[in-house]
Amino acid sequence: DMKVTQMPRYLIKRMGENVLLECGQDMSHETMYWYRQDPGLGLQLIYISYDVDSNSEGDIPKGYRVSRKKREHFSLILDSAKTNQTSVYFCASSPDNYEQYFGPGTRLTVL
Amino acid sequence: GDSVTQTEGLVTLTKGLPVMLNCTYQTTYSPFLFWYVQHLNEAPKLLLKSSTDNKRTEHQGFYATLHKSSSSFHLQKSSVQLSDSALYFCALTGANTGKLTFGHGTILRVHP
Repeated sequence: DMKVTQMPRYLIKRMGENVLLECGQDMSHETMYWYRQDPGLGLQLIYISYDVDSNSEGDIPKGYRVSRKKREHFSLILDSAKTNQTSVYFCASSPDNYEQYFGPGTRLTVL
Repeated sequence: GDSVTQTEGLVTLTKGLPVMLNCTYQTTYSPFLFWYVQHLNEAPKLLLKSSTDNKRTEHQGFYATLHKSSSSFHLQKSSVQLSDSALYFCALTGANTGKLTFGHGTILRVHP
């Protein structure tokens, strides 16, 4: 069964703190994604990674960076988190650049 | 760039009635369309996909037909159930960049 995992599932941080969100997949998919989901805005693409150290900005990359050192792991980093980065973050992976498999999400609150 | 439009933000229906959720798109590439369903506090899951013009695709009682002439991929079901209550996203990829463009989503609420 194809699986994407995310850690942590819930996180509360203070403004200015650094945040690390982790994503893993056990399917050897080359392409991975980070999205954020806000009410009424759907899913917005933050970054896409086509393979190890091959990352590309999505539609809303400002305030975020990513790291992919192993094919199965993709991290999202917020350096000095802001209150407007409070959101639900989803990681996804794709075997073919078409169909995407989503993780369970991380609910991040920045106070 | 690519865009996806879902005209309904919220659809409320009584169990057993038919439903159609609208999805239209714009792209300059050959389109590949998807419907994702997201139940409360869960991850989005793929429901349907299609890149074939005028061919109906079905899954779990839901169906959709890609019509390139009208740039549409509406989601339908003949008889909704309480368990169909969820957020439904239409999504598009055109250029094999791996990027999906999502619509804003339609909440479907089914009541007894």
